[in-house]
Amino acid sequence: GAVVSQHPSRVICKSGTSVKIECRSLDFQATTMFWYRQFPKQSLMLMATSNEGSKATYEQGVEKDKFLINHASLTLSTLTVTSAHPEDSSFYICSARDQGGSNQPQHFGDGTRLSIL
Amino acid sequence: DAKTTQPPSMDCAEGRAANLPCNHSTISGNEYVYWYRQIHSQGPQYIIHGLKNNETNEMASLIITEDRKSSTLILPHATLRDTAVYYCIVRVATGTASKLTFGTGTRLQVTL
Repeated sequence: GAVVSQHPSRVICKSGTSVKIECRSLDFQATTMFWYRQFPKQSLMLMATSNEGSKATYEQGVEKDKFLINHASLTLSTLTVTSAHPEDSSFYICSARDQGGSNQPQHFGDGTRLSIL
Repeated sequence: DAKTTQPPSMDCAEGRAANLPCNHSTISGNEYVYWYRQIHSQGPQYIIHGLKNNETNEMASLIITEDRKSSTLILPHATLRDTAVYYCIVRVATGTASKLTFGTGTRLQVTL
């Protein structure tokens, strides 16, 4: 089945550091990838939709200058949390959909647990 | 996208069938029903999806009512590893902007 790989799985860093998270579709091409955030005991919240070769579309309330998204190829999207602070600590999860069909399911990575000290 | 309503939690004995209901009374004709589950500290796992016909795969069966206003996910023989939060989501299939919006899901606890 379709596999989405996310790296790193866990990051612990100091406040003010920028952190980059990679999301790769391993066996399919993804025109569109999605970035979610999940706080403890809450559901997944969509942050942004990443479009290959164009600017990402951010959900309301998500700062585009804080969460930089790059989708340079059909198999790779990156999320950079700039100048991270403790309130950015969360579980970040990426998702990708095979561009082969419009009703193809989205597949998810295993997430990145970000802890800002 | 249409909203869905799911019970917050359910219990199921190991080896028995787990039937997870979902109401989506405002679903549109072009919206599919998707089911995902999330095991603790992992990313969501795709289970199954359908438009109007019942669907079955190696993981589960999806029963959609004729009026499409509700559906049931069936895990035929639940195991302890099926303990997870199950999400029922409806989504427009067309267009690159179609996206999955997660609700609160049903927390399924499978017990011995």
